[in-house]
Amino acid sequence: QQPVQSPQAVILREGEDAVINCSSSKALYSVHWYRQKHGEAPVFLMILLKGGEQKGHEKISASFNEKKQQSSLYLTASQLSYSGTYFCGTEMRGGSEKLVFGKGTKLTVNP
Amino acid sequence: DSGVTQTPKHLITATGQRVTLRCSPRSGDLSVYWYQQSLDQGLQFLIQYYNGEERAKGNILERFSAQQFPDLHSELNLSSLELGDSALYFCASSVAWRGGYNEQFFGPGTRLTVL
Repeated sequence: QQPVQSPQAVILREGEDAVINCSSSKALYSVHWYRQKHGEAPVFLMILLKGGEQKGHEKISASFNEKKQQSSLYLTASQLSYSGTYFCGTEMRGGSEKLVFGKGTKLTVNP
Repeated sequence: DSGVTQTPKHLITATGQRVTLRCSPRSGDLSVYWYQQSLDQGLQFLIQYYNGEERAKGNILERFSAQQFPDLHSELNLSSLELGDSALYFCASSVAWRGGYNEQFFGPGTRLTVL
């Protein structure tokens, strides 16, 4: 089942922060985060495999709340280069071991 | 550059036709995944192969089929094409057999237009 991402879109000014959420109706084995710029391939940001895990990638970090079956991606002090569509991908516990992606959150960072 | 190559980059064809998309994974990766991305849609998982064997299946139409060859490259065959098949088709690869276990590296995609 497809995870639900929120918000669908967000517009920021450079230097502002944003949070993107990814929720599942089922227990999760892992959560992936990818960023895709227009006309390009998705690029891996990070993977979270354990409940409570938090990871960072420059000024982008993520957390995984296993009990709530959700993950959040935090973008701090946003830069113009952060613009793009962010996808979470989830593998459900007891599922078919495939990664199912959400519909994406379009992030626009303006000067 | 992810190290995953896909050919062709663009493909324009007519309804009812058949096409083949090709993907070469990163060196050392045994898993190949195929995804379809339509306008304003997310990435729809189609199928995964691991070391030549089908590993997982998503919402792949019966008109579509894929295979992975001994040299690990993969081909996605789309037949009896319909207008709705127009999309960007991505191939991704990873080391592990488990789709959610580690990162997937995406190729540049093949843009298919069905007229």
